[in-house]
Amino acid sequence: SQTIHQWPATLVQPVGSPLSLECTVEGTSNPNLYWYRQAAGRGLQLLFYSVGIGQISSEVPQNLSASRPQDRQFILSSKKLLLSDSGFYLCAWSVRSQGPFFGQGTRLTVV
Amino acid sequence: QKEVEQDPGPLSVPEGAIVSLNCTYSNSAFQYFMWYRQYSRKGPELLMYTYSSGNKEDGRFTAQVDKSSKYISLFIRDSQPSDSATYLCAIGAGNNRKLIWGLGTSLAVNP
Repeated sequence: SQTIHQWPATLVQPVGSPLSLECTVEGTSNPNLYWYRQAAGRGLQLLFYSVGIGQISSEVPQNLSASRPQDRQFILSSKKLLLSDSGFYLCAWSVRSQGPFFGQGTRLTVV
Repeated sequence: QKEVEQDPGPLSVPEGAIVSLNCTYSNSAFQYFMWYRQYSRKGPELLMYTYSSGNKEDGRFTAQVDKSSKYISLFIRDSQPSDSATYLCAIGAGNNRKLIWGLGTSLAVNP
C-alpha cells in the first residue's frame, strides 16, 4: 500500500533562517507531487506541483522553492524565512485517478 | 464570485443526527468532486470521490453531485463524536489533480 511521510511535524525557526521540509512517498511510481500551505481562514493554497523528477510548477510567487531530486521525494525550501511564511505545510501525491492523498503536515512558526 | 463556496459553520449536531454539508461552484467545466475530512492539526483525509452527477455511498457517507445546479453535498448518517472535524470540498478538471478548495465546514457531533 502507498504511504507518504512528511517531517518534521512541528518547526520553530527564526526570521532569516533557511528552511528544508522533506516528503517521501512509498508504494507507487511516478506520482504527481504537491506542496500546499494551509492558513487559518484561507483554505488550502497550492504552492508547487511536480509531474516528474526536476519538473516543478510554481503556483504562487513567494519566498519558497521546491525540488524533486528523486521520483518519490519532494523538498520545500527557503533561503531566508519571513514571518509570513508561518503556516501548516502539507505534501500530497496523486497517480492517475487516485488522490491527492496528504501527509500529516508540518506546522511552521517563524519567530 | 469565488470558484467554490462552502459555509464555514460551525455546525453542531447531537450524536445520531444526519449531517448535510454543501458546496457550490461556479465553473461548469469541473469534472470531479471530492470530500476530505481534516482533524485538528492533521492532514486532510480523502473521504469520497465522484466523477459525475448522482450519488455515491460508502458506509455512513453519501456524496451527491448536481452538475446542473453546480451543487455538491456530503451526507453523514448516524453521526458519531468521531466525525467531529473540518470537512473540505475540492473540485477539479483534468488529470493533474490541481484542485480548487472550499474553506471547510467545522462539524461538532455532541455525545
